Amino acid sequence: EDQVTQSPEALRLQEGESSSLNCSYTVSGLRGLFWYRQDPGKGPEFLFTLYSAGEEKEKERLKATLTKKESFLHITAPKPEDSATYLCAVAPQGGSEKLVFGKGTKLTVNP
Amino acid sequence: DTGVSQDPRHKITKRGQNVTFRCDPISEHNRLYWYRQTLGQGPEFLTYFQNEAQLEKSRLLSDRFSAERPKGSFSTLEIQRTEQGDSAMYLCASSPKSLNTQYFGPGTRLTVL
Repeated sequence: EDQVTQSPEALRLQEGESSSLNCSYTVSGLRGLFWYRQDPGKGPEFLFTLYSAGEEKEKERLKATLTKKESFLHITAPKPEDSATYLCAVAPQGGSEKLVFGKGTKLTVNP
Repeated sequence: DTGVSQDPRHKITKRGQNVTFRCDPISEHNRLYWYRQTLGQGPEFLTYFQNEAQLEKSRLLSDRFSAERPKGSFSTLEIQRTEQGDSAMYLCASSPKSLNTQYFGPGTRLTVL
C-alpha cells in the first residue's frame, strides 16, 4: 500500500532559525511528489512538484529536494508568516490520478 | 479571482439530513478531484472526473455519497443520510492534465450534529 510519512509532526522555530522537514514515502512507483502549504481553515496551497531523484526546486526561503525514498523541505531563515502546516503528497504509478498525502508537519515560527 | 471556488464554505446539518456541495474549477481545467480532510490528517482522495466522466472512486466513497459533473464544468458532491463521522473538510481540486499540479479550493467545512 502506498504510504507517506512526514516528520516531525510539529516543529517550533525561532525567527531566523533554519531547519528541514522530512517526507518519506513507500510507493510501487513514483510519478511525482508535491509539497503544499495549508493555513488553518483553508485549502492546501501548491508549493513544488518534484519528478525524479536529485531534483531540487526553490522559492523564496523554501527549497525542496528529492531522493529515491524521501523528500526534504528546507526552510532558511524562516519568518513568522511561514507558520503553517506543510503537506507532502505523492502520485503513485498504476493508473490512478489520486494524490496520497502525509499527515503534515505543523510549523510555528516565533518572532 | 480565477482559482477553484467552493460553496458553501460552512455547513451545519443534523444527522440523517442530505447535503450538497458545489465546486467550480479553474476554467480551463478538465480534471476535477474531491478529497476529504479530518482534523490532524492529510486530505484523502474520494473521486476524480475527466470532463464529465467519473473515472475513479475511492472505497471511502460509500453508497451514501454521489458526485456529478454534468457538463464537464462545475461539480457537486451529495451526501445522503449524513452521519456524525461525515464531519470533515471537503476539498475540491482541479488540474489541466495528468500529473499536473492539483490546485485546491478553500474547502467546505461540514459539521453533522
